[in-house]
This record gives sequence, structure tokens and C-alpha cells, in this order.
Amino acid sequence: QVQLQQSGPGLVKPSQTLSLTCAISGDSVSSNSATWNWIRQSPSRGLEWLGRTYYRSKWYNDYAVSVKSRVIINPDTSKNQFSLQLNSVTPEDTAVYYCARVDVTVADPFDYWGQGTLVTVSS
Amino acid sequence: QSVLTQPPSASGTPGQRVTISCSGSSSNIGSNTVNWYQQLPGTAPKLLIYSDNQRPSGVPDRFSGSKSGTSASLAISGLQSEDEADYYCAAWDDSLNGYVFGTGTKVTVL
Repeated sequence: QVQLQQSGPGLVKPSQTLSLTCAISGDSVSSNSATWNWIRQSPSRGLEWLGRTYYRSKWYNDYAVSVKSRVIINPDTSKNQFSLQLNSVTPEDTAVYYCARVDVTVADPFDYWGQGTLVTVSS
Repeated sequence: QSVLTQPPSASGTPGQRVTISCSGSSSNIGSNTVNWYQQLPGTAPKLLIYSDNQRPSGVPDRFSGSKSGTSASLAISGLQSEDEADYYCAAWDDSLNGYVFGTGTKVTVL
């Protein structure tokens, strides 16, 4: 059974960097049959995919156009986890952030999700 | 902002059938599979339907999905009180090179 456990601060000041981590159990961040994603949800923007990291003989990343200039998603193979960094945050980045797995052997659904982290951007 | 369009709400009495639509374009629903998620208040979304019409293990067969062209639908037959939740469609978008979600539909059991 795959489990994703999120951690990170719930309050970030404007212009600073939002950092969250997603620890994986029951699978590997280096799996050739999965991708590891970050998604956020807010009343104004709904559910919004932010990006993903995955390993296919080498590491790849894809990012949403809306955050591409500000986001980094990194794998950490030593701890079997992956992280989200979102730079230069504004109050518009206030949202519940989720990590999620895609099992590419069954098309592309987000089949496992983290518990969610409410991040508020405020001074 | 959401790229896939859903009705904001749907409702029915226990035992009725409710259908939720999801409208997209040729770059998402028209060329990729659709997945559906159920979100109960205060919880993460849960996968309900994948690959247009497949149910993960444990999902009741009251839930079914279909797709035609650039639109998809989720049907809930034999509506139950525990089905009261928000429902979202999602698909990969080839033009945006990313996943897109629906605007969400709140299902109310009357």
C-alpha cells in the first residue's frame, strides 16, 4: 500500500519561498512506472497541477505554465521523497497543496494522494 | 484556472441516477483518457474512475464513466447519502503539456 506523507510550514511570508516535502512509503521515487506530482487547490483557482518529477533512466521534470518560472520539484533518492519549492510567493499562492502519484501502467490517474497541507501566504 | 467545464451542482433523491458532464477540447479529452475524482469535505480527492470508464478496486459499480469526442460524463446510479461530495474530472492536455482539472460539481442528496 502506497502512502504519501507531506510535511512543511503552513505559513509563508510574501516574496519568500514555499517549501514542502512528500515522503513515500510502499513505492520508490526512482520507479520507472510512476510520476510524482504536486497539485494545489484554492477557492479561486480550483484544482491546479503544478508539476512532476520522474525517472526514466534519467530524471525529468515538467511544470505548469502558470508557475514555471517560480517552481522546482526535486527528488531525494536517499530519503525516498520529493519536494516542492515555489519562489516569490504572493497571497494568490495561498492554497491546500497535495502531492500525488501517477501509476503510468494504468494510464495516468492520480491514484495516491498526500493528506494535504494548507499553506497561507501572509505577513 | 480550470480548463475543463463542469456544472457547478447536481442533485437527486436517494436511489436516483445523477449524471455529471465534463467538457474539454481536442487537446485534452479529445486525445487523452479522462479520470474522475471524488472529494469529501476536508479530505484529499480520491480516484473514482480512470481511463474513461474503469473503476479502481473498491469503488462501487454504481459509479460509471463514459466519453465521446471532447466530452466525458460520470454517472451515479442508485444515489446514496454518502455520495454527497465534490466531483472533478481531469485529463492530460497536449497543448499545455500538463494535467488539467474540471471546475468541479457539488452533488447534493436531497
